[in-house]
Amino acid sequence: EPEVTQTPSHQVTQMGQEVILRCVPISNHLYFYWYRQILGQKVEFLVSFYNNEISEKSEIFDDQFSVERPDGSNFTLKIRSTKLEDSAMYFCASSPILRGEKLFFGSGTQLSVL
Amino acid sequence: EDKVVQSPLSLVVHEGDTVTLNCSYEVTNFRSLLWYKQEKKAPTFLFMLTSSGIEKKSGRLSSILDKKELFSILNITATQTGDSAVYLCAVGPSGNTGKLIFGQGTTLQVKP
Repeated sequence: EPEVTQTPSHQVTQMGQEVILRCVPISNHLYFYWYRQILGQKVEFLVSFYNNEISEKSEIFDDQFSVERPDGSNFTLKIRSTKLEDSAMYFCASSPILRGEKLFFGSGTQLSVL
Repeated sequence: EDKVVQSPLSLVVHEGDTVTLNCSYEVTNFRSLLWYKQEKKAPTFLFMLTSSGIEKKSGRLSSILDKKELFSILNITATQTGDSAVYLCAVGPSGNTGKLIFGQGTTLQVKP
């Protein structure tokens, strides 16, 4: 069964450093998302992306965050200057149709900011 | 503010028991409610519900939505140790962005 793949599975970085989290969505999907889950807390929406532009972003997704689909297969989340509170599991998801129906999630990247 | 609340937060049962997990929501312009199972990392899709009173079933799992009372339940019958996981409820508001609002999850532990 097709799946969303994310790399790396675990990233450790120093506060203030830039990180790029990578995702390969399912190949025929058109809608892409990033969510995050701080340890012990709810899964939170960050951003949705369609047709090479952001459809919606949450309050969390400030100027330090950006997303990109640099080619036909990858979807990336960049955090320009990481903060301690960015430490979380980041999930990429994709769906073939709009509006959140049956999102397929990747296994996540655990980001640890020291 | 849109919110999704799940109960109980955690549950310990023995194999063979039946469990009911609850999800209530307050969302502007509700469109769909989804259940996911999260075992180690990636949430995996279980059900999507859009209409009241129509039960969705998959093996020992079933779910139903009540749009008047704004809640859904997820039933698991004849539980097995492999059902141990966090069960997430999420609501999709109308609109065209694909955003889901998640509850805090119910942690289910099934003991042999």
